[in-house]
Amino acid sequence: EVQLLESGGGLVQPGGSLRLSCAASGFTFSDYAMRWVRQAPGKGLEWVSALSDTGAATHYPDFVKGRFTISRDNSRNTMFLQMDSLRAEDTAVYYCARVAYSFYMDVWGKGTTVIVSS
Amino acid sequence: EIVLTQSPATLSLSPGERATLSCRASQSLRNNLGWYQQKPGQAPRLVMYDASNRATGVPARFSGSGSGTDFTLTISSLEPEDFAVYYCQQRTSWPVTFGGGTKVEIK
Repeated sequence: EVQLLESGGGLVQPGGSLRLSCAASGFTFSDYAMRWVRQAPGKGLEWVSALSDTGAATHYPDFVKGRFTISRDNSRNTMFLQMDSLRAEDTAVYYCARVAYSFYMDVWGKGTTVIVSS
Repeated sequence: EIVLTQSPATLSLSPGERATLSCRASQSLRNNLGWYQQKPGQAPRLVMYDASNRATGVPARFSGSGSGTDFTLTISSLEPEDFAVYYCQQRTSWPVTFGGGTKVEIK
C-alpha cells in the first residue's frame, strides 16, 4: 500500500525550531518529487515547500524562505522539513505529499500538527 | 503570484443534484489546474488534474473543464460521500497556489 506518514509535530515557542519527517512506503520514493503543504485551523491549503526526486532542486514561498529547509534521504525513504524561527502564524497541520501527473499531489499523509505558542 | 478565486464559497445542495464549482485565475494557466477534495479531519485527495483528467479511482460523475483563466468542476449527481470542501490548485508557476475552497454541503 502506498503510504506517507508524518511525524515530529508538537508545541514549540515562538522563535523555536522543529524538524518534521515524512516516511514513505509502498512505492519507489526516489522516483518522485515531494511537497509539504499546511493548513491552519479552519483555513485552506497552503503550499510550504517543494523538493525534486534527487533532492537537488528546492522551492519555497516567500513567507517561509530562509526559515524552512526541505530535504530528503532516499536511502531511508524519508523527507524532512526543518522549521526555524517559528511564528504563531506557522501553527497548522503539516502534510507531506507525493507529486505525480507532472505537478499535482496524488498521495498525502495524514498530517502532523505544529502549534507555535508561548 | 497567481491568485485563484473559487466560487461560490458554499454550495448547498441535495443528494442527486448537480454541483458546479468555479475557479478563476488571475492569469492564464492554459490547462494547468487541479482539483482536490477534502473531508473533515482528512487529508486532501486529488480529484482532477490538468483541468479535465480524473485522477485514479475518481468516479465518472466528476468532470472538469476550462482553460486559460476559468475552470469548472462538475459533479453530475451528488452522492453522500461527495459532500466536502473542494480546492483548486495551479501548477503553471511558482509559488504553487490554491484557491480558498468551495464547501459543498447538504441542503
